[in-house]
Amino acid sequence: GAVVSQHPSRVICKSGTSVKIECRSLDFQATTMFWYRQFPKQSLMLMATSNEGSKATYEQGVEKDKFLINHASLTLSTLTVTSAHPEDSSFYICSARETAYSGNTIYFGEGSWLTVV
Amino acid sequence: DQQVKQNSPSLSVQEGRISILNCDYTNSMFDYFLWYKKYPAEGPTFLISISSIKDKNEDGRFTVFLNKSAKHLSLHIVPSQPGDSAVYFCAAVSNFGNEKLTFGTGTRLTIIP
Repeated sequence: GAVVSQHPSRVICKSGTSVKIECRSLDFQATTMFWYRQFPKQSLMLMATSNEGSKATYEQGVEKDKFLINHASLTLSTLTVTSAHPEDSSFYICSARETAYSGNTIYFGEGSWLTVV
Repeated sequence: DQQVKQNSPSLSVQEGRISILNCDYTNSMFDYFLWYKKYPAEGPTFLISISSIKDKNEDGRFTVFLNKSAKHLSLHIVPSQPGDSAVYFCAAVSNFGNEKLTFGTGTRLTIIP
């Protein structure tokens, strides 16, 4: 079946540095991918919509200059957390839609734990 | 404003019995609903979905029921197994091409052996 893969699954970075998280659809093409963030004991919060070949659409309150999203191909979207700070430490999850004859299904990546020290 | 609500933060069910997870929504524009299962430190796993034109969808041990007039959906798992212990999120979307899921807050299901 369709699989969405995220890398890295865990990353620790120093405050002030940048870190990139990749989201790949492994056996299907996705023109649109989504990036979510989950705070402890809370639901998933949509950060932005990643559109292949165009600029991402950010949700209200999400800093687009801090969370850079690039969707350079139909199978890859990247989220770069720039000048990371400890408050950026969180669980980041991407999703992608598979369009099949039987209908649409949204699949999620495995998630990436970011710890900023 | 929480448009998708899961009012039970936790649920415990005996192994082999039926687990029923509930979800309510307020936005009448939602026309597609999904259930996800999530283990700690992992991404959500898609379980089952239902379109608003249906009132029931079944896949193995999982059945989702949709009551549009009540703006309520439920996920039934039968028989419940220990591996079903996880957090379950319902999600809704309006105009599926938009794909912006609105998630509920989740229900932690614990299956008691």
